[in-house]
Amino acid sequence: GAVVSQHPSWVICKSGTSVKIECRSLDFQATTMFWYRQFPKQSLMLMATSNEGSKATYEQGVEKDKFLINHASLTLSTLTVTSAHPEDSSFYICSARDRSRGSTEAFFGQGTRLTVV
Amino acid sequence: AQSVTQLGSHVSVSEGALVLLRCNYSSSVPPYLFWYVQYPNQGLQLLLKYTSAATLVKGINGFEAEFKKSETSFHLTKPSAHMSDAAEYFCAVTPGGSQGNLIFGKGTKLSVKP
Repeated sequence: GAVVSQHPSWVICKSGTSVKIECRSLDFQATTMFWYRQFPKQSLMLMATSNEGSKATYEQGVEKDKFLINHASLTLSTLTVTSAHPEDSSFYICSARDRSRGSTEAFFGQGTRLTVV
Repeated sequence: AQSVTQLGSHVSVSEGALVLLRCNYSSSVPPYLFWYVQYPNQGLQLLLKYTSAATLVKGINGFEAEFKKSETSFHLTKPSAHMSDAAEYFCAVTPGGSQGNLIFGKGTKLSVKP
C-alpha cells in the first residue's frame, strides 16, 4: 500500500517556541492531506484540510494563525504549531489521499507526539 | 451530516474468543465506511472498508465487517482473538464518492486476555 511518512515521531519543545511537523507521501501524489489531533484516550479530530497549491481549510475552533499549514507540493504538507503552549501537547496525525485511487483511499502517517514544557 | 457511534469504549476478550466491536453510523447519503486499528503511539492502519460493493467485507488479520443498511451498522468481527489484536479500533465514515474527510468514532480499546 501507499506510504505516508510523518516526521518527527516525537518532539519536546519549550513553551513559546514553534514546532514544524512534516507529512510526506512517499510513493504517490497527494492532492489533499488532512491534519488530525488526538487527545489521550480520545478519537481523532480533524483540524484542517490541506490542498496542494492553495490555502488550507480549517475546522471550526481551530486557530489558523496558530496552526500554520503549508502544502507546497504534491508530496509534502507541513503543520507548524506557533508559540506552542502546554495545552497544545497532543498527538498529531496526518493522512493523505492517493488521487490515483480515488477518494476511498486515505493513508495515515505514524503520528507526532508533541509535548510542550 | 455524518456521524459514527462506537458502543463500548473498552472490550475485553479471552484469547481464542470471538471479537465483536460495534459501530453504528448516521449518514444522509450512501456512506463509505472504514475500520482502522491504532497501536500505541502509532498512526492508523486500515483494516477494511465498505464502498457500496459487497456488504460483507473481509479485511486484514482475519477481521471482517458487515454493512447492514437497515440497522445502520458496520460491526467488526473476528472469529478468534489473538494477543496481537490488542489495540484501539476506530470506525469511520465519509460521504460515498466524495473527497470529504473521515469522521471517526471515539474508538474502542480491545484487550485480549491469555
